[in-house]
Amino acid sequence: GDSVTQMEGPVTLSEEAFLTINCTYTATGYPSLFWYVQYPGEGLQLLLKATKADDKGSNKGFEATYRKETTSFHLEKGSVQVSDSAVYFCALVRNYQLIWGAGTKLIIKP
Amino acid sequence: GAGVSQSPSNKVTEKGKDVELRCDPISGHTALYWYRQSLGQGLEFLIYFQGNSAPDKSGLPSDRFSAERTGGSVSTLTIQRTQQEDSAVYLCASSPQGSGGACEQYFGPGTRLTVT
Repeated sequence: GDSVTQMEGPVTLSEEAFLTINCTYTATGYPSLFWYVQYPGEGLQLLLKATKADDKGSNKGFEATYRKETTSFHLEKGSVQVSDSAVYFCALVRNYQLIWGAGTKLIIKP
Repeated sequence: GAGVSQSPSNKVTEKGKDVELRCDPISGHTALYWYRQSLGQGLEFLIYFQGNSAPDKSGLPSDRFSAERTGGSVSTLTIQRTQQEDSAVYLCASSPQGSGGACEQYFGPGTRLTVT
């Protein structure tokens, strides 16, 4: 069946560092891909999405490109801030179900 | 506008008791989803409602779990004879339409269930 694999956390970085959180998927066809974020004490919210191969999703300085050749959707940000500390989830949608990665906790130190 | 709301925010119950969790989706959203977030299992799909169609219950872990959606709006997830492994955060989401693609699901804050 379909699945999503994310790099294990926690990932700890200093402020202004470059961020990459790896995400790869296994699926038939080309499902839409998502990154959701869960800030401490808050609910899940969509960060960005891509609906087809080579699409780039972007929001709040974060980017991810849908790579069908490597079945990847890595999350990147050029300069992280303390406020980016959260848990990040990569997901794909199959029909209507979201299929989730395990989540990666990101800790940004000032 | 108002987002997805869930109640209660926290629920502590004794093993063997029944619990009801409530979800109020965003007004006008026809699709409603329940997920469970637990330490051991991560995020899991439980059930999906779309309009007046029969719900997809394929993610419910046992027959102790059931859900209803009344009038195409509010939904209640019921867990009968709770077990300790039911302890988790139960998340509700809604979307303007249910059919696949890139339709964003909007999540509520969740109900944290603890079974003692």
